[in-house]
Amino acid sequence: GAVVSQHPSRVICKSGTSVKIECRSLDFQATTMFWYRQFPKKSLMLMATSNEGSKATYEQGVEKDKFLINHASLTLSTLTVTSAHPEDSSFYICSASAIGSGGDTQYFGPGTRLTVL
Amino acid sequence: GQQLNQSPQSMFIQEGEDVSMNCTSSSIFNTWLWYKQDPGEGPVLLIALYKAGELTSNGRLTAQFGITRKDSFLNISASIPSDVGIYFCAGQLAGSQGNLIFGKGTKLSVKP
Repeated sequence: GAVVSQHPSRVICKSGTSVKIECRSLDFQATTMFWYRQFPKKSLMLMATSNEGSKATYEQGVEKDKFLINHASLTLSTLTVTSAHPEDSSFYICSASAIGSGGDTQYFGPGTRLTVL
Repeated sequence: GQQLNQSPQSMFIQEGEDVSMNCTSSSIFNTWLWYKQDPGEGPVLLIALYKAGELTSNGRLTAQFGITRKDSFLNISASIPSDVGIYFCAGQLAGSQGNLIFGKGTKLSVKP
């Protein structure tokens, strides 16, 4: 149980194009989904938190117009990197929050490797 | 911002040895989670802890939620080569809305 998928797993795009990444909770309904960015050999950096049907809450320093988040249902959230540039190249990971036996637990997707040429 | 101090940063051990890593903070947490991340993959949840003093095992892994609610440790017994990876602790602050704060990770290398 508590499986989270991401699509695509890898994407290479040209500078200036937009890229959409999907995050799905496959066997549970997620009250909240989170988007992280991870640089090589570094820990996860939270970008934004989204709840179904409401606007995402972005962390300080994360441009909301650059990283568009849509949380259309309790099982799907999307992150769109708009007008991507090489500095946006990174490993993007989503997680979905489920109520566990004692409290909230986040389950992570497998990640999406974005390379902007 | 809030920080978790995770140590050690890296470990090089022999197969069969036991491993211990921990996370500490000056803040109080409601939840402690331990994850393992392999290269190019997302973190995989190993153990979730929700109560101060809670001690939970998952196979060869054991983790405890510190009684002060400011720390947690993870032990791996009788390590094997597939234990190689980066282990992250993550905590949910008391009174927060579910956001996790991550440690910087412990990179584990196991020599066969």
